[in-house]
Amino acid sequence: AQSVAQPEDQVNVAEGNPLTVKCTYSVSGNPYLFWYVQYPNRGLQFLLKYITGDNLVKGSYGFEAEFNKSQTSFHLKKPSALVSDSALYFCAVRPRSLTGGGNKLTFGTGTQLKVEL
Amino acid sequence: GAVVSQHPSWVICKSGTSVKIECRSLDFQATTMFWYRQFPKQSLMLMATSNEGSKATYEQGVEKDKFLINHASLTLSTLTVTSAHPEDSSFYICSAKYWAYDQSYNSPLHFGNGTRLTVT
Repeated sequence: AQSVAQPEDQVNVAEGNPLTVKCTYSVSGNPYLFWYVQYPNRGLQFLLKYITGDNLVKGSYGFEAEFNKSQTSFHLKKPSALVSDSALYFCAVRPRSLTGGGNKLTFGTGTQLKVEL
Repeated sequence: GAVVSQHPSWVICKSGTSVKIECRSLDFQATTMFWYRQFPKQSLMLMATSNEGSKATYEQGVEKDKFLINHASLTLSTLTVTSAHPEDSSFYICSAKYWAYDQSYNSPLHFGNGTRLTVT
């Protein structure tokens, strides 16, 4: 079974400082990895995904994520945080194999990011 | 492009009544839509996978007779919560894959804005 762990319920960052939101995963084989952001009472918005190739993936709004196979991690990063980045962030994983539930996306529990002035 | 519209955005109903939630893909065809449930400060839990023209596939522990899903066209899926009770109060979110753009399994899902259901 696949699973995703986001060890931090909340991350607090000062505006202008770099931010990191952690994510580790467990899945058979090589996964597809995603990051989504959710604003209050809204659906999820896609930020970025890792499929293959370069371990550093760049996405929307200046976010990037680094895939680390040995540590089974996919941490979300941004060099300089903005107050408007404050939201709930979800990491998600989908296995490549259809027989391994390839159509099913599994989400982490979410990390609340709070960026303050 | 790839907009998913969900209606209503919030609904309050009395215990014992049924509520229908609509999920529409506005500018693309979605052969598969997904229904999630989200409790406060918790992750999204997949309830069922909705396939156009066929029966939905429900996740373990989800009552088929309580959460009726219909996917009658390539742009519309509906979730009906039957005989709702206060414990059904939650945030329900639908999503769809933009198959026409990217038919691989690494394509991201596009989400509706969710429906806040409160059962009194």
